[in-house]
Amino acid sequence: EAAVTQSPRNKVAVTGGKVTLSCNQTNNHNNMYWYRQDTGHGLRLIHYSYGAGSTEKGDIPDGYKASRPSQENFSLILELATPSQTSVYFCASGRDWGYEQYFGPGTRLTVL
Amino acid sequence: GDKVKQSPSALSLQEGTNSALRCNFSIAATTVQWFLQNPRGSLMNLFYLVPGTKENGRLKSAFDSKESYSTLHIRDAQLEDSGTYFCAAEAGSAGNKLTFGIGTRVLVRP
Repeated sequence: EAAVTQSPRNKVAVTGGKVTLSCNQTNNHNNMYWYRQDTGHGLRLIHYSYGAGSTEKGDIPDGYKASRPSQENFSLILELATPSQTSVYFCASGRDWGYEQYFGPGTRLTVL
Repeated sequence: GDKVKQSPSALSLQEGTNSALRCNFSIAATTVQWFLQNPRGSLMNLFYLVPGTKENGRLKSAFDSKESYSTLHIRDAQLEDSGTYFCAAEAGSAGNKLTFGIGTRVLVRP
């Protein structure tokens, strides 16, 4: 099974601060994804990537940037964190479009 | 949300009984995934489906793309089946991205 890891697992940030969430996958998957999970919404797609150097906007990209410096790593960047970005963030990877996605353990972010 | 509707929203089961969860799609789903989120928050892959059925132990899932729904059957429910079950659909019309339902919370009682 695919191995996807995330760091940090928990983060407390201040409003206006910069936050970087990191994701690593060791299965040579082309596609990587960032989701957030909020009560009543399920998981919603923020950004995704189909290979090193590419990033694409998902359904709720406002306030977030993404970076894919290598096949293995995909970061989510909050340049100016706001309390509305308090959430649980999940990273996922998949071989390609139309293939199964595998999720990391999640990062709980609290913005005060 | 509305593109993937899960029912019921919550379910309480006696240990050893059977039950079924359902997802209805208002998008042209081509594949479906089912996940179980355990109480610690981890998402476990249960099934990945193209149209058809799959079975794994006490779990069985079906996906009918023409009728736009998927089901997950739990047989002989055990305490470790407790958690929140999510379905997610991939549709060509949505850029092949996964669209999630808001989940079904399942509690298995001893």
